[in-house]
Amino acid sequence: KQEVTQIPAALSVPEGENLVLNCSFTDSAIYNLQWFRQDPGKGLTSLLLIQSSQREQTSGRLNASLDKSSGRSTLYIAASQPGDSATYLCAASLKAAGNKLTFGGGTRVLVKP
Amino acid sequence: DGGITQSPKYLFRKEGQNVTLSCEQNLNHDAMYWYRQDPGQGLRLIYYSQIVNDFQKGDIAEGYSVSREKKESFPLTVTSAQKNPTAFYLCASKPSGLYEQYFGPGTRLTVT
Repeated sequence: KQEVTQIPAALSVPEGENLVLNCSFTDSAIYNLQWFRQDPGKGLTSLLLIQSSQREQTSGRLNASLDKSSGRSTLYIAASQPGDSATYLCAASLKAAGNKLTFGGGTRVLVKP
Repeated sequence: DGGITQSPKYLFRKEGQNVTLSCEQNLNHDAMYWYRQDPGQGLRLIYYSQIVNDFQKGDIAEGYSVSREKKESFPLTVTSAQKNPTAFYLCASKPSGLYEQYFGPGTRLTVT
């Protein structure tokens, strides 16, 4: 059974610092890995999706990498801003599970002005 | 406006009552999903449907039921058999052949 872990559960950084968010998964036979942002009491917004054949995806200040052999994905947010404060969730889609998503517990980020 | 709507945003029920959460999408997506989120935790899959009139259990289906009579709608009923129904419920949809799921704003259910 796929397990997805995000450590740390929370982190706080000063504005301008780069953010590094970690996601690990136990089964490397994934279809893809997605990163989401969730604001308090809201739904999820998709940030980046990395296919299993890709090593990374970029969108603006966001860059996500995928290393299937080590079971890790990392989300980098450059030059963090207070508006980046939110919870970030990663989710892995397993080939054997009909593309169902398995979510990590999330990392709650606070960017201090 | 295209998107996924969930209503109501907040729902309160007494223990022992069934309650139905609404999820509607006008994105013409084939697949729809229901997730549950508990405080400080990730999402867990309750039920999903890849096509009208068909649905499958997710990881935590006990105490829940769904129907998919129309492509646009995927209501979730939380029955009295669900032991800990208080949670944040999120609905999502996905177009056929693609991977990205799109989420609604969620319904926060409180059962006392």
